[in-house]
Amino acid sequence: QSALSQPRSVSGSPGQSLTISCTGTSSNFGTYNYVSWYQQHAGKAPKVLIYDVSKRPLGVPDRFSGSKSGLTASLTISGLQTEDAADYYCCAYAGAYTHLEFGGGTKLTVL
Amino acid sequence: QVQLQESGPGLLKPSETLSLTCTVSGGSFANFFWNWVRQPPGKGLQWLGYIDESGKTTYNPDLKSRIIVSLDMSKNQFSLELTSLTTADTGVYYCARMDFWTGFQRPWGQGAQVTVSS
Repeated sequence: QSALSQPRSVSGSPGQSLTISCTGTSSNFGTYNYVSWYQQHAGKAPKVLIYDVSKRPLGVPDRFSGSKSGLTASLTISGLQTEDAADYYCCAYAGAYTHLEFGGGTKLTVL
Repeated sequence: QVQLQESGPGLLKPSETLSLTCTVSGGSFANFFWNWVRQPPGKGLQWLGYIDESGKTTYNPDLKSRIIVSLDMSKNQFSLELTSLTTADTGVYYCARMDFWTGFQRPWGQGAQVTVSS
């Protein structure tokens, strides 16, 4: 069981916005400064959407945004599209030569 | 463009040792970490461990006694060894390049299915 807690599932309709949360504890998010988010379609490798809490790698649409407040990091998807249906994972990292931790994952259904 | 590809045996028996290799093309090992992540069937991602270009490793403490990650730059490869396998080690194993400062992983290999069964 992951120490980073994500909702098991969320759903939305095309065009809507929704937010996936990732809640830690003072022992992880109190220490982990870097949060990244990954999208995984069924049978595929994960793909990074957000790094360093709110930065987007080249090629990731600006519909995806990230933020963090206290012990909760969030991924917001605006203008939901059918292809956004996938599993989403947060990942926390405290810096070089420290541990990584993944959240349990959230299944997004686009209705 | 950097690409990663996992290779190794797909079926192993309990108590055996898993050896997987990740071949890196289109880039160098410098200034990145080289990471292993796995995913049990129907479950989430689990971080296993990573290595830097000097060979220094950082492991998931839950696996620390069973895991070895190594690097062979002459072959453009890094490897995962996991000993004393049980059925709980079944899953898809991914390698990924990891940013030194922020820890984000990109790109990923396509994944290698590993099944542990008697």
